[in-house]
Amino acid sequence: KQEVTQIPAALSVPEGENLVLNCSFTDSAIYNLQWFRQDPGKGLTSLLLIQSSQREQTSGRLNASLDKSSGRSTLYIAASQPGDSATYLCAPPQGNTGKLIFGQGTTLQVKP
Amino acid sequence: NAGVTQTPKFQVLKTGQSMTLQCAQDMNHEYMSWYRQDPGMGLRLIHYSVGAGITDQGEVPNGYNVSRSTTEDFPLRLLSAAPSQTSVYFCASSYWTRGQGEAFFGQGTRLTVV
Repeated sequence: KQEVTQIPAALSVPEGENLVLNCSFTDSAIYNLQWFRQDPGKGLTSLLLIQSSQREQTSGRLNASLDKSSGRSTLYIAASQPGDSATYLCAPPQGNTGKLIFGQGTTLQVKP
Repeated sequence: NAGVTQTPKFQVLKTGQSMTLQCAQDMNHEYMSWYRQDPGMGLRLIHYSVGAGITDQGEVPNGYNVSRSTTEDFPLRLLSAAPSQTSVYFCASSYWTRGQGEAFFGQGTRLTVV
């Protein structure tokens, strides 16, 4: 059974810092992994999708890496801004299915 | 481009009442699923469907029913609401082909059972 852990659970930083959010998962036989952003009281917005054949995926100031062999994914946020404040969720699938397994998330606060 | 639409956004029920949470997608995705999100528990899968007429249970299915008569719609039914079902419910739609896919979520339904 896939289990997902995200570290740290919460993070508070001043504006401008480069950030690293960590995600580890127990079943490395995954085909892809998605990172989501959730603002308070809102739905989940897909940020990045990393296919199993990729090691990295970039979108603007966001970069996600995937190391299947070690069961880890990392989300890098460059030059953080107050608008980046949200909860970030990592979600690999359960085996070869479309069922996503979620971590508890990392709640980020970026202070002006 | 609507994506995944959930209705209602908010609902208050009395214990024992029944209701249906609606979910519709316009992306022609085969795969749809329902999750609930509770503080400290993360998102947990309730039911999912891999296509019209095909549904299966997720991690926390008790107290919920689903059916999938069309590709577009995947309603979630609460048969007899209980306070333990107070939660935020999210519907997701995804394509899934040869192990590759991406999921898209609705904005959620915040349900309170009193």
